[in-house]
Order: sequence, then structure tokens, then C-alpha cells
Amino acid sequence: SAVISQKPSRDICQRGTSLTIQCQVDSQVTMMFWYRQQPGQSLTLIATANQGSEATYESGFVIDKFPISRPNLTFSTLTVSNMSPEDSSIYLCSVGSGPPEQYFGPGTRLTVT
Amino acid sequence: AQKVTQAQTEISVVEKEDVTLDCVYETRDTTYYLFWYKQPPSGELVFLIRRNSFDEQNEISGRYSWNFQKSTSSFNFTITASQVVDSAVYFCALSDPSNTGNQFYFGTGTSLTVIP
Repeated sequence: SAVISQKPSRDICQRGTSLTIQCQVDSQVTMMFWYRQQPGQSLTLIATANQGSEATYESGFVIDKFPISRPNLTFSTLTVSNMSPEDSSIYLCSVGSGPPEQYFGPGTRLTVT
Repeated sequence: AQKVTQAQTEISVVEKEDVTLDCVYETRDTTYYLFWYKQPPSGELVFLIRRNSFDEQNEISGRYSWNFQKSTSSFNFTITASQVVDSAVYFCALSDPSNTGNQFYFGTGTSLTVIP
């Protein structure tokens, strides 16, 4: 299994600002995923990030709001832009390798005031 | 369409009791994978088990056991002799790579509280 770290682990941000979340994996992986978990809710996939190509966003999520970078096979960032209190969530990075496995990072707890 | 239903939102049991968490799934594919994850208060998702659709054998791992029944599209999770450390939110998930790549579909989770 892969070991995944995320930075920051938590943050409190003001409305209208942006936060970039980093995800680092201890091995090279093809596919990385970003999820959002709103308070008391299940996980919702934001986008899939493959190295060397544009991220693929799920319905309801747009690149302007959640820009993603994937510069190499061990690292990705997710930016939450122009934040509002509704963006308060846990953001989780995960990595996958076939047959389908997904291992999750520890998550970033974001509170927007 | 793919869907995972965890009808139990919250469960409370007294320590040492057995508890079963239900999971019902929907998919049109014949090849798919089912998962259980544990999310303790710290927030990290801990992988517990993966089953593929061709393997209906039940599995036991210590105090944990899983009952996969394709006839009822269910993949239930039982904790025997529950302990306080089992308190967490448990998610069931489905993946059907032939149709949607590596996308996972998560249930809404069951919050388990084990009372000492």
C-alpha cells in the first residue's frame, strides 16, 4: 500500500481567500484523486488527476474553483479558490492502482469563516 | 447507475456486543469491487477489505467478518465482541472499473458508537 501525506492537516481561512492543499505519495502512481467530505456527509469525488494531462472534473466541480496540478507521479495539489463557508470540509487525496485500489491520505480539515 | 446504500445512519452498542453494518449496492456490471473503509475521529480513511464480484466467499479477519451475497446485492460487515476503539464511521464503497475507471461510489456511512 502507498503512504500518503497531506499538508496542511487543517486550516482556518477567511472568506474570499484561497488555500492550496498538497498531497505527497511515497511511490509513483498513475492516478490520484481528490475528494471532498462535507460535515457529516459521505465522500464526493472532485476530480481525477493523471500526470501529464488535465484533471478530469466531476459534475458540479469546475477548474476555476478547484484548480489541480499534477507535476509528477508522486505529487499533486488542489486549490480551493475564493472560499466561502460552504467550502468547509475535509479534503482527501487518494491514489489508485489497478486492480482498483484506493488509499487515502489523512485529509485536510478546512474551516472557512 | 452505480449506487451504494447504507441505511443505518447511526448505531450504538455496548462493548462486547456484536454489530452488523449493512451495505446494499447497485450496478449493471458483472465485474465490480466492493470495499469497506473505517474513518475514526481523526478523519483518515482506513482500508479494511476489498472483494471482487466473482468471489462470494465470506471473509473473517479477527473480530471482523464480511458477508457478500450477490443474490441480494449486499456486502454486510459484522464486528464481533465490539470494543470502544471500533467507534468510527464506516463506509461501504463500489468500484466498477470497466465502466467508470477507478471512480469509487461511497455510501453515506454508518456512525458506530461503542459504549464502554
